[in-house]
Amino acid sequence: AQSVAQPEDQVNVAEGNPLTVKCTYSVSGNPYLFWYVQYPNRGLQFLLKYITGDNLVKGSYGFEAEFNKSQTSFHLKKPSALVSDSALYFCAVRSRDGGATNKLIFGTGTLLAVQP
Amino acid sequence: DAEITQSPRHKITETGRQVTLACHQTWNHNNMFWYRQDLGHGLRLIHYSYGVQDTNKGEVSDGYSVSRSNTEDLPLTLESAASSQTSVYFCASSEAGNFYEQYFGPGTRLTVT
Repeated sequence: AQSVAQPEDQVNVAEGNPLTVKCTYSVSGNPYLFWYVQYPNRGLQFLLKYITGDNLVKGSYGFEAEFNKSQTSFHLKKPSALVSDSALYFCAVRSRDGGATNKLIFGTGTLLAVQP
Repeated sequence: DAEITQSPRHKITETGRQVTLACHQTWNHNNMFWYRQDLGHGLRLIHYSYGVQDTNKGEVSDGYSVSRSNTEDLPLTLESAASSQTSVYFCASSEAGNFYEQYFGPGTRLTVT
């Protein structure tokens, strides 16, 4: 069965420091992986996705993610955190249950808190 | 600009009542999804649709139903609301295909008393 794990409920980082939000996945075959961000009282916003090709994917707001097939990971990174990056981050994997579908399986989310 | 809207944004209802949450998108997307968000569970899929007259059950579909009579709308109905259905509900849509991202509405906070 497909699944996504976000091992940290919360990540704390000082403004200006690099940040990493971890995600590991379990799927059969090639994965399609996504990161979303949710600001308070808002819906989820798409950040970036990995479909194929370069293992380093660049997305919105200066975020990037590194796909590592051997470690089945897709960690979200940013070189220099901003207070405004404080939000809830979700990793997701496309469900491969047959056919041309794009159902997503979401992790439980990681709260990123950036201190000034 | 294209968008996806949900109404109402907040709803309080009593146990046993039927409730319908609206979702409307102007992206002209074929795919639409309903999720609920609960602390510790992330987002869980309730129902989804890949086009008009198509509906499918997600992982937590018991007590919910949807219908798709046009491309733009996918209303979610709680047949007989229960306190366990108190949650935040999100609608999403995407283009057809394997790898397109989903666009989310602002959410509806539902409280069942």
